[in-house]
This record gives sequence, C-alpha cells and structure tokens, in this order.
Amino acid sequence: ELKVEQNPLFLSMQEGKNYTIYCNYSTTSDRLYWYRQDPGKSLESLFVLLSNGAVKQEGRLMASLDTKARLSTLHITAAVHDLSATYFCAVVFNTNAGKSTFGDGTTLTVKP
Amino acid sequence: GAVVSQHPSWVICKSGTSVKIECRSLDFQATTMFWYRQFPKQSLMLMATSNEGSKATYEQGVEKDKFLINHASLTLSTLTVTSAHPEDSSFYICSAEREAYNEQFFGPGTRLTVL
Repeated sequence: ELKVEQNPLFLSMQEGKNYTIYCNYSTTSDRLYWYRQDPGKSLESLFVLLSNGAVKQEGRLMASLDTKARLSTLHITAAVHDLSATYFCAVVFNTNAGKSTFGDGTTLTVKP
Repeated sequence: GAVVSQHPSWVICKSGTSVKIECRSLDFQATTMFWYRQFPKQSLMLMATSNEGSKATYEQGVEKDKFLINHASLTLSTLTVTSAHPEDSSFYICSAEREAYNEQFFGPGTRLTVL
C-alpha cells in the first residue's frame, strides 16, 4: 500500500522556538515535495527533494530527505507568526506513474 | 515562469446542473495535468490524471461519467462536474507537470458549492 504519514497533525508553537515535522512513506521513492497551504488557498511549493541526503533551506525552513529510512523532515527555526499554515508532504512513489500521494498535513499555529 | 490558472475561482450552482472548470498552464506546455479534490480540513485527493490527446485515467472510486475530463491542448484541461449534487461541493485544484522540472505546479483552486 502506498502511504504517506505526517506527524504531528497539529502543532502549536511559541514564536522563537524550533520544531520538526516528520514525513514517513511506505515504499521506494525518488521524489518528495513539501507544500504550504494557507486557509482558503491552493498549494505553494516549498521544496523539491530528489535524492538521498538532499537538504534544502529557505529562510526559517529546512527540509531533508533520507530515502533509506523513507523519511523526510521539515525543520522550523525560530518560528514566527507568518509561518502559521498547513504543511503537506507529497511523495511520488516509483511504482505510481508520476502521481503524488499526499500526507494528511500538519497544521502549524505560531503564537506570540 | 510555471504559472497555472484556474477558472472560475468559485462557483455556486443548483443541484442537477453541470459545471465546467478550466485549468491552464500559462507559460509552459503540460502533457500531464492532475485534478485533485479537497474537503475542508482534509488533504488533497487525486481524482484523475489528464494526458493531452488521450483519455484521462481516474483513481479508484471516482466516477468517470460524473467527472468528465478533457485535455484538449498542451495548455488546457477541463473538468466538468455533471449533474452536481451537494456532496460534490468541494475545493477542486489542478496541477500541471512541467517536464524536466520533476515538479507539479498548482492552480489557485476552484471552490464549488452546490445548493
């Protein structure tokens, strides 16, 4: 079965704190994506991870991929209120003809 | 570059009517487009994969006669919800795949409300 599991599903943070969102997936993949979604809006692409050990950073967000462990992480550094949103990881499994399978999303709320 | 538009952005219709949603890649050609549906506070669910010049491939449980997909050109795919019912009310999002970029680019979504 092709599964993508994110945790936590809900995350409430204080501004200035660090935290990590985890994305586990069930079988072989060479492509993993992180997206942000604001309420009522579509998806905004954050990171594209295409190889084992890939690490990408943009501002306070850093994403990494470990294909052997079938795990990606999205690390938040010194959170600010503007990061409040829902974050999705999506995996293109090697056996799934280029289609993305999405995790359930992590709703992040950053409080002052 | 890599902009995808959707039209309309929202639509309200009466039960039993049909609604057409357009998805366009504005500055690139997309041989493959995807249609997703998202219910409130849930994740995206893939409905179908649309390939230019061929029939769409529907995911299990998606009625192909109810959700008609046409990929008429390399920049346009349409989703028609036929005989819409209140349970079809949802946020519909398309994406277009840009070859050599290993990435899907998402449209802004269409919010459908069926009364």
